[in-house]
Amino acid sequence: EAQVTQNPRYLITVTGKKLTVTCSQNMNHEYMSWYRQDPGLGLRQIYYSMNVEVTDKGDVPEGYKVSRKEKRNFPLILELPSPNQTSLYFCASSDRGSSTDTQYFGPGTRLTVL
Amino acid sequence: DAKTTQPTSMDCAEGRAANLPCNHSTISGNEYVYWYRQIHSQGPQYIIHGLKNNETNEMASLIITEDRKSSTLILPHATLRDTAVYYCIVRVPMEYGNKLVFGAGTILRVKS
Repeated sequence: EAQVTQNPRYLITVTGKKLTVTCSQNMNHEYMSWYRQDPGLGLRQIYYSMNVEVTDKGDVPEGYKVSRKEKRNFPLILELPSPNQTSLYFCASSDRGSSTDTQYFGPGTRLTVL
Repeated sequence: DAKTTQPTSMDCAEGRAANLPCNHSTISGNEYVYWYRQIHSQGPQYIIHGLKNNETNEMASLIITEDRKSSTLILPHATLRDTAVYYCIVRVPMEYGNKLVFGAGTILRVKS
């Protein structure tokens, strides 16, 4: 089944404790992206990657890092989490070679930073 | 990307067609209309997209006016599981960054 998976789905942590949220897709998509969703602010793009070893900042990259060493994986790293990073996070992927340009989203990771 | 305007919320009876409107009066000639939905904090789900012609797939139909300034998403036989926030997005496909700009969307409540 074609899908985007994220782990963990729920995470409660404390300020300053490094964490990684993993994202993996099995559709051989070149493009991957991270969004965060907050009440009243909608979904905002954090980082994106056009291909392996190619990443760039989205609209709200501060406090986050990403890497793209393999095509299927695009982890989101919070090295010093802070309470303002409490949010619902979504990973997405799409096939840039397709004319439809539809994006497939993961199930989400609900992060709470105390 | 062109801005879109959608009603804040709509109700629909189960089994009836749900017609969700979207205004995009500043749409450019090369911008497509995309519809996504989000069911209660799940990941957004692609529904359908189109440029000028009406489109239909297994989930929905998309009707785009001739001047392309507005469109309507039609769920032909709404079920309770179609209760969700529906987002209308206009954009150029494959643009650099591939960012989807989600507005507030329309909350569709399907009632039995």
